[in-house]
Amino acid sequence: GDSVTQMEGPVTLSEEAFLTINCTYTATGYPSLFWYVQYPGEGLQLLLKATKADDKGSNKGFEATYRKETTSFHLEKGSVQVSDSAVYFCALYPSGYSTLTFGKGTMLLVSP
Amino acid sequence: EAGVTQFPSHSVIEKGQTVTLRCDPISGHDNLYWYRRVMGKEIKFLLHFVKESKQDESGMPNNRFLAERTGGTYSTLKVQPAELEDSGVYFCASSQGLSGTGGMNFGPGTRLTVL
Repeated sequence: GDSVTQMEGPVTLSEEAFLTINCTYTATGYPSLFWYVQYPGEGLQLLLKATKADDKGSNKGFEATYRKETTSFHLEKGSVQVSDSAVYFCALYPSGYSTLTFGKGTMLLVSP
Repeated sequence: EAGVTQFPSHSVIEKGQTVTLRCDPISGHDNLYWYRRVMGKEIKFLLHFVKESKQDESGMPNNRFLAERTGGTYSTLKVQPAELEDSGVYFCASSQGLSGTGGMNFGPGTRLTVL
């Protein structure tokens, strides 16, 4: 079945550090890929998405590129802020009717 | 517009008791989804309503879970009787179309603790 694997957390960084959160997936066909973020006390929010191979999703300084050859969708940000502290979830939506399949989530903690 | 709301935000109950979670979707959204995250694990799909009909309930873990969406508006998820392994965060989401476009709006979740 479909699955998403993301790196274990927590990831602890200092402000202005470079961030990478790894995400790989297993799916049949050509899924759409997403990153969701959950800030403390809030619901899941869509951060960015990519719907086909080589697409790059970007938002709020974050970006991720859909790599079909490596089945990956790693999240990156060049300079993190304290306000980026949250839990980040990688997810996929297979082609055809289905539902979102999520990874386990990666907590990011950014210190001043 | 108001977002997806869930009630309560937290619930602590004892094993064997009954708990009912409520979700109010964004007005006009026909699609309503329930997901659950058990601590440290993936967010797992439970079921999907289209208006008042259950489109897909393949993720419901067992018959102790009952979801309803009367009139196609708000939805309730009842757990009866609750077991320890039911503890986790229950998310509700709604969308106008299907979730493939990433247009799903999530609520803040209900944290359920079963003692």
